Amino acid sequence: GENVEQHPSTLSVQEGDSAVIKCTYSDSASNYFPWYKQELGKRPQLIIDIRSNVGEKKDQRIAVTLNKTAKHFSLHITETQPEDSAVYFCAVGRGSQGNLIFGKGTKLSVKP
Amino acid sequence: NAGVTQTPKFQVLKTGQSMTLQCAQDMNHEYMSWYRQDPGMGLRLIHYSVGAGITDQGEVPNGYNVSRSTTEDFPLRLLSAAPSQTSVYFCASRMDRGSSGTEAFFGQGTRLTVV
Repeated sequence: GENVEQHPSTLSVQEGDSAVIKCTYSDSASNYFPWYKQELGKRPQLIIDIRSNVGEKKDQRIAVTLNKTAKHFSLHITETQPEDSAVYFCAVGRGSQGNLIFGKGTKLSVKP
Repeated sequence: NAGVTQTPKFQVLKTGQSMTLQCAQDMNHEYMSWYRQDPGMGLRLIHYSVGAGITDQGEVPNGYNVSRSTTEDFPLRLLSAAPSQTSVYFCASRMDRGSSGTEAFFGQGTRLTVV
């Protein structure tokens, strides 16, 4: 089955700095790569996703890059703000299947 | 449009008891899944369904049963609760768009403690 590894497990940055979180996956047939943000005590919510026919996608301060050959994708957050502090999860799926497999999460702390 | 609704929000069970966690969605999504979240372990897939009458095992299915008799509902049954099943449980639903992946919408979670 699919195996998703996420690094780092914790990340601390100063406000205004950039943060990068990386995930690798094992199944070359996977074609859907979302990122979720989970604030303390809340449910995970989608912040950005990318499909395998695209190498990069950007939404304001958030971007995701995908390298299908190397089977890894990364989340980039620029100009971090304290409200970016949360746990971020990557996930991997195949469009024709019903399951998403998640990484173990990265706890991001943004210090003012 | 309530999205994904889970009940209960909190539950304490004694070892050996059984219970059902309820999940309902009103978005007419074909895919539904159950995850458990433990510290440092991320979200681990328990069971999932691609449509009414179809279920499959995920990464950690032991000790849990599911059924999908309608599109809207996907209950998770704990047959004989064990302390190792203490966790936060999330139900999620997704639309089926064929070969293209789609966003998962999560319920608010159920915090289960087994003593």
